[in-house]
Amino acid sequence: NAGVTQTPKFRVLKTGQSMTLLCAQDMNHEYMYWYRQDPGMGLRLIHYSVGEGTTAKGEVPDGYNVSRLKKQNFLLGLESAAPSQTSVYFCASKFGGGSYEQYFGPGTRLTVT
Amino acid sequence: KQEVTQIPAALSVPEGENLVLNCSFTDSAIYNLQWFRQDPGKGLTSLLLIQSSQREQTSGRLNASLDKSSGRSTLYIAASQPGDSATYLCATNSGGSNYKLTFGKGTLLTVNP
Repeated sequence: NAGVTQTPKFRVLKTGQSMTLLCAQDMNHEYMYWYRQDPGMGLRLIHYSVGEGTTAKGEVPDGYNVSRLKKQNFLLGLESAAPSQTSVYFCASKFGGGSYEQYFGPGTRLTVT
Repeated sequence: KQEVTQIPAALSVPEGENLVLNCSFTDSAIYNLQWFRQDPGKGLTSLLLIQSSQREQTSGRLNASLDKSSGRSTLYIAASQPGDSATYLCATNSGGSNYKLTFGKGTLLTVNP
């Protein structure tokens, strides 16, 4: 099992550029999440999905879009990157609702100049 | 809205010492509480998950306790080692959801040889 993987590991964007972050899990997990982690702010939920074809907004969704076309993949898109989106992005997954652990990917470090 | 606080923000101890990390939360109507470890530049690794009906969970030198009524959890690390140096985060349910987590900002632990 590879667990949760994220692509790319690092990326530098210019303001206004777009990009997509890919998260993949091979554990047949139903739930998937995108977080951002910033110094002094902790981990904050951007968007999440409770199953293939579903998405929902988290705590800080503005400026991001997501898609879950396949159960194993969860994509995070930035349509027009801003310096405020400089952060480390983590994907996570969970088998189902209730008392299951969340498993995290290694993160993507994004810098927007 | 659930708020999770971890005190202290940083802790430095000599090798071999037993130590306790603290986590408090404002909404006691939780389903579970999860402790994570994060090494610098890495993703989060799940250490322990305590269900709301449990009082404690143990894994090796780690013991996590939960007191829902007082909104507190502790992570006890026995016989600390330099390899335990990392940031430790706790997370629990937010907004009555059994699948979304609210994270504390973490305690940075340094174990000195």
